Amino acid sequence: DSGVTQTPKHLITATGQRVTLRCSPRSGDLSVYWYQQSLDQGLQFLIQYYNGEERAKGNILERFSAQQFPDLHSELNLSSLELGDSALYFCASSVGGATDTQYFGPGTRLTVL
Amino acid sequence: AQSVSQHNHHVILSEAASLELGCNYSYGGTVNLFWYVQYPGQHLQLLLKYFSGDPLVKGIKGFEAEFIKSKFSFNLRKPSVQWSDTAEYFCAVILYTGRRALTFGSGTRLQVQP
Repeated sequence: DSGVTQTPKHLITATGQRVTLRCSPRSGDLSVYWYQQSLDQGLQFLIQYYNGEERAKGNILERFSAQQFPDLHSELNLSSLELGDSALYFCASSVGGATDTQYFGPGTRLTVL
Repeated sequence: AQSVSQHNHHVILSEAASLELGCNYSYGGTVNLFWYVQYPGQHLQLLLKYFSGDPLVKGIKGFEAEFIKSKFSFNLRKPSVQWSDTAEYFCAVILYTGRRALTFGSGTRLQVQP
């Protein structure tokens, strides 16, 4: 158990819908990262937040957005869902220093029908 | 852009065989290097990491990796694999300067036969 929690574990929804994935980082970690794992794209970085502020963006679609709240939990919002958005979404957290390590949560498996 | 290559996509070994998984990255600057493992149905777990110092890094479960800067490589090794090592292994890189997000290789699926 890494100490990073994600909910829900599984999510099944229809095209065009909007969902919210939630991540709670390890105690003391200020940085949260979101990654997408799919069969065709592999593991890709989406976005990073540090202490409530967006720090870096990766291959995140405009239909996707995220935020980090004052209690440091983060939410990833996916809207106008398409079949191709079906994937495993991982959250990782770290202290945020120059030599820190990211610890991954169990992931949310999103299925878009 | 930086990239990470894992040339072995699927490796099948018998128990007690030795393992070496290749990882190469394309970036000329300072990098932090990682190997993560994903057991079936589970999340990514850190096996080992390299930031600086001794280029031979020891991790959990008997794994080690060697950073060879001249070859831009960070190969993962284990002298004797067990059936429980069956998993997918990912090499990942962070640029020391710039964003701290991980860039992952495509992964190597290891199957250990009893």
